[in-house]
Amino acid sequence: DIQMTQSPSSLSASVGDRVTINCRASQRIRSSLNWYQQKPGKAPKLLIYAASSLQSEVPSRFSGSGSGTDFTLTISSLQPEDFATYYCQQSFNTPYTFGQGTKLEIK
Amino acid sequence: QVQLVESGGGVVQPGRSLKLSCGASGFSFSTYMMNWVRQAPGRGLEWVALISYDGSDKSYADSVKGRFTISRDNSKNTLYLQMSSLRVEDTAVYYCAREDLVVVPAVTNTFDYWGQGSLVTVSS
Repeated sequence: DIQMTQSPSSLSASVGDRVTINCRASQRIRSSLNWYQQKPGKAPKLLIYAASSLQSEVPSRFSGSGSGTDFTLTISSLQPEDFATYYCQQSFNTPYTFGQGTKLEIK
Repeated sequence: QVQLVESGGGVVQPGRSLKLSCGASGFSFSTYMMNWVRQAPGRGLEWVALISYDGSDKSYADSVKGRFTISRDNSKNTLYLQMSSLRVEDTAVYYCAREDLVVVPAVTNTFDYWGQGSLVTVSS
């Protein structure tokens, strides 16, 4: 199975900050990497697919990069509604696996 | 608009069975692969199972293989998860998720729509 490791596990930041979340796969997965946002009590929401493509209606302050084993999610200027938990997920093969999550909190 | 609505969750004793349903609307259900993903309380996301468009291919996480069965009825636009020999560690919110195949800029699969989730609690 492919292991996905996110860093950091939690992050405190302020509105307007630029934030970066990292995700590393235990083997090469080309660009088969997706990012999801989850708010408490809600289902996850797809933000980024194929490592760097923005899902429809997702604000352009979200961006993704990387390929192979190392990937990054960047939020260019944090907004109040961005405080949530973020997960990476590989879709290279089954079993599909998620990172452990990064909880983004207000400083 | 795309909607996925899970039902069937509840409290069940260890070793017993439970069947979840996921009703789909707003898209051509029979042309999409579908998945179940779960989340234990306070924990991360865990993929559970996948079923192909016509139900002919299925894949399971090792943690549920041999105990859970994914199925679908395309005439009813409904996805199912039959859970047997339930364990305390199966306690979670179970989400159904639509799987979309993307080809641009690269071939990959995404979970582009999710249901609201159904809580399954396994407890004596």
